[in-house]
Amino acid sequence: GDSVTQTEGQVALSEEDFLTIHCNYSASGYPALFWYVQYPGEGPQFLFRASRDKEKGSSRGFEATYDKGTTSFHLRKASVQESDSAVYYCALARGSALGRLHFGAGTQLIVIP
Amino acid sequence: EAAVTQSPRNKVAVTGGKVTLSCNQTNNHNNMYWYRQDTGHGLRLIHYSYGAGSTEKGDIPDGYKASRPSQENFSLILELATPSQTSVYFCASGDAGGSQNTLYFGAGTRLSVL
Repeated sequence: GDSVTQTEGQVALSEEDFLTIHCNYSASGYPALFWYVQYPGEGPQFLFRASRDKEKGSSRGFEATYDKGTTSFHLRKASVQESDSAVYYCALARGSALGRLHFGAGTQLIVIP
Repeated sequence: EAAVTQSPRNKVAVTGGKVTLSCNQTNNHNNMYWYRQDTGHGLRLIHYSYGAGSTEKGDIPDGYKASRPSQENFSLILELATPSQTSVYFCASGDAGGSQNTLYFGAGTRLSVL
């Protein structure tokens, strides 16, 4: 079945560091890929999505590029801030069932001021 | 702004008891979803609905029922709660399809089954 793997359970960085959170997926065809962010005490919030090979999604300084060759959708940000501390989820969905998201386990980002 | 409200926010239940988690959305979205969140698993889909009167099984439906009596309301029902159902539950609404597919999540319900 479809699945999403996030290899880092937790990432700790200092402010202004470069961020990479790895996301790899397993699914046939071209699923839509998403990043969601969850702040403490809140539900996940949509960050951005991509649905075609080489398409770049971006929002709030975060970006990721859909790579079918490596089945990846890694999240990157050039310079993190303390306010970026949150849990980040990579997810995938298929075609007509776009609301049926399959989430990765999540990566907690801690940014130290 | 999109609004999904869950109640209660916290619930303690006894093993074997019945638990109902409620969700209300004011987005006029057709689709609603129930997910549970557990460390190491992320969020997993329990049940979902395409509109009033419809419910569908998600990836982990065993031990749960769902009810969608209206466009705005979607409930998750645990008829016989078990400790393994201790988790944080999230409701979401959305209109799947199109270029702006986005799920809007509520703030969650923390359920402890003792």
